[in-house]
Amino acid sequence: NAGVTQTPKFQVLKTGQSMTLQCAQDMNHEYMSWYRQDPGMGLRLIHYSVGAGITDQGEVPNGYNVSRSTTEDFPLRLLSAAPSQTSVYFCASSPTGLGFNEQFFGPGTRLTVL
Amino acid sequence: GNSVTQMEGPVTLSEEAFLTINCTYTATGYPSLFWYVQYPGEGLQLLLKATKADDKGSNKGFEATYRKETTSFHLEKGSVQVSDSAVYFCALRMDTGRRALTFGSGTRLQVQP
Repeated sequence: NAGVTQTPKFQVLKTGQSMTLQCAQDMNHEYMSWYRQDPGMGLRLIHYSVGAGITDQGEVPNGYNVSRSTTEDFPLRLLSAAPSQTSVYFCASSPTGLGFNEQFFGPGTRLTVL
Repeated sequence: GNSVTQMEGPVTLSEEAFLTINCTYTATGYPSLFWYVQYPGEGLQLLLKATKADDKGSNKGFEATYRKETTSFHLEKGSVQVSDSAVYFCALRMDTGRRALTFGSGTRLQVQP
């Protein structure tokens, strides 16, 4: 199993450009989520999904779109990049059965918006 | 809303020193509590967890006890190693609603030989 994979690892954008951060998992997890990590602020939830076709907003959703057409993939779209979106982005997945369900994190995408 | 507060870093220790990283939380209801570790250039890995009051999570020599009366989940290790240098995040998760993790701001640990 590859676990949770993210591409690209690094990206530099100019203000106003759009791009998609890719996230995929091969563990058949229903729950997937996107976080951003900023210095001194821990990780904050952007969007999440409890299964294919179902998405919802997290703490800081503005400026980001998501879709979940398959169980495996959960891409994050930046429609018009802004310098405030410079951050490290992490994707995570977990099962949703009863009891404790560990979240598995991808290696992250470091995004710089100029 | 839910929140997690952990001590600011960096924490700098000599090898074999005792480690404590404080973590307190605010939550409506009864969360599960976690410590995650992030090594340089990597994603987050689950270090340990506790899902109910008085549970003790442990892994790789690290321990933390879920204290409901003080709403705390302090991380401890008796003898740190250089390889423990990393950023440590305390987090909580509710079993209903978003089921997402709420993280503290992270504490950087630097262990010197």
